[in-house]
Amino acid sequence: KQEVTQIPAALSVPEGENLVLNCSFTDSAIYNLQWFRQDPGKGLTSLLLIQSSQREQTSGRLNASLDKSSGRSTLYIAASQPGDSATYLCAVRRTGANNLFFGTGTRLTVIP
Amino acid sequence: NAGVTQTPKFRILKIGQSMTLQCTQDMNHNYMYWYRQDPGMGLKLIYYSVGAGITDKGEVPNGYNVSRSTTEDFPLRLELAAPSQTSVYFCASRLDSNQPQHFGDGTRLSIL
Repeated sequence: KQEVTQIPAALSVPEGENLVLNCSFTDSAIYNLQWFRQDPGKGLTSLLLIQSSQREQTSGRLNASLDKSSGRSTLYIAASQPGDSATYLCAVRRTGANNLFFGTGTRLTVIP
Repeated sequence: NAGVTQTPKFRILKIGQSMTLQCTQDMNHNYMYWYRQDPGMGLKLIYYSVGAGITDKGEVPNGYNVSRSTTEDFPLRLELAAPSQTSVYFCASRLDSNQPQHFGDGTRLSIL
């Protein structure tokens, strides 16, 4: 069974700092990996999707990397802003499966 | 496009009551999913569908039923509500294997 872990569970940084969120998974036979943002009381918003053949994806100030062999992905946020405060979830889809396996998320607070 | 729409947003049920959580999407997506999110836990898959008329169990299907009579709608049915089903329920959809999942805003359900 695929296990997805996100460490740390919570992170506070001052505004303007660059930061990295970590995601690790146990089964390297993945089809793709997706990073989501969840605001309190809201649904999940897709940020980046990385296919298993890709090493990274970028969108604005966000950059996600994928290392299948080591079972790791990172989400890099440049020049953090208070509006980036949210919970960030990573989710993995195994090869041959239709569903996602989710981590428990990292709750990010960016302090003005 | 409205995306993925879930109704109701909140509901309180008594033990033993039944209800249907509604989910509809207007993106002509083939794949649809139901997840539940419990505090401090990652999202767990309840049921999913790969197209109209086709459904399959996820990780935690007990106590739930689904149907997929149209591409747009994927309702989730609770027949005999139990306190363990208190959770936030999310519906999601995606077009095909290489596309990200899109989520609704969730239904917050309490069983008392």
